[in-house]
Parts: sequence; structure tokens; C-alpha cells
Amino acid sequence: EPEVTQTPSHQVTQMGQEVILRCVPISNHLYFYWYRQILGQKVEFLVSFYNNEISEKSEIFDDQFSVERPDGSNFTLKIRSTKLEDSAMYFCASMMGVAQPQHFGDGTRLSIL
Amino acid sequence: DQQVKQNSPSLSVQEGRISILNCDYTNSMFDYFLWYKKYPAEGPTFLISISSIKDKNEDGRFTVFLNKSAKHLSLHIVPSQPGDSAVYFCAASRRGSTLGRLYFGRGTQLTVWP
Repeated sequence: EPEVTQTPSHQVTQMGQEVILRCVPISNHLYFYWYRQILGQKVEFLVSFYNNEISEKSEIFDDQFSVERPDGSNFTLKIRSTKLEDSAMYFCASMMGVAQPQHFGDGTRLSIL
Repeated sequence: DQQVKQNSPSLSVQEGRISILNCDYTNSMFDYFLWYKKYPAEGPTFLISISSIKDKNEDGRFTVFLNKSAKHLSLHIVPSQPGDSAVYFCAASRRGSTLGRLYFGRGTQLTVWP
């Protein structure tokens, strides 16, 4: 069964450094998402992406965050200057069409030191 | 953000019995609801969904019930199996959010014992 692939599984970064989290969505999916889950808290929406542009972003997704689909297969989340509070599990998801279920990757655990 | 609530952090059920997981929501604009299962060190796995035009959807051992007037949905697993032990998340999306931003509950840890 096709799946969403995320790399790396664990990223450790010094505060203030830039980090790029990578995702390969399911190949025939058109809608892409990033969510995060801080330890002990809910899974929270960050951003959705369709037709090569951001369609919606949450209040969490401020200027330090950006997303990109650099080619036909990858979908990346960049955090420009990481803070301690960015430590979380980051999940990528993709969806085939409207009102279809989103399918999630296994996540990247981001640890900021 | 308390738009989707799962008030039971844990549920313990004997193998073969029914598991009932509950979820409440506050936003009347939600019109699509999903249940996800999550094992440790894995991402959420889609289980079953329901549109607000229905009140029941069934897939094998899993049935989701939606009560719009009470803003409540439940997931029934019959019969429960030890492999069902996982965290179950309820999620919802709303009309007007055509790209389906999901709002999640905190999850319920289900333990199925032999």
C-alpha cells in the first residue's frame, strides 16, 4: 500500500540553526499538509499546500516557517531559526482529493538543544 | 483550542468485547469526521470516516456513529483484539475549509487484554 515517507526520523539541532524536514507524499495525491505534536499535547495543523501554493496556515506557521515542493515528489518544511519550543514531532500528510482522508507519515522527531 | 474533545484518556477492554471510544465537538461547521489509530513511533493511520450527511458508517469491525444534535461521535470496535491496542484520535474538518484542515482530539489509549 502506498505510504507517505518522512526523513529523517530524528533530527537534533542547535537553537538558532535552520532545519529542513523532508516528505515524499503518496504519488497521486494533490494536497499536502504539515502538522506537529508537542509532547503531551494535541496534533496541531501547521499548513496546507495545493497547486504549488499555501492554501491555509495556522497561527503557529509564522515567518520562521516555509514550505516548498521543489520537484514532483518532495514536500519540505523549513524552520529558519529554530527555538527550543519548536521541539516536537512533525507529521507530513497527503490527500488525494477533497473530503478524502489524509494519510500521514511516521513523523520526524525534532529536538532543539 | 478545544473544538474536538476526547474526554477519556484511556480505555481498557477484554479481547472479544466491544470497545467504544467517544468524541465531542463544539464547532457546528464541522462536516467531516475521521478516526485515526496511532502506534508508538508511527504516524496516525486512517481508520474510518463519516460525513455529516450520515449518522453511521461501517467498515468491518469498525463502526462510527454521528449524533449531530449532540455534537458527538463514537467509534465501536467489535470484537476487540489485542492488536487494536493503540491511541485513537478523533479528527474533524469544517465546511469552507475545502482542503480539509484537521482538528484533533487529545486521543484515547485503548488497551485490549486477553
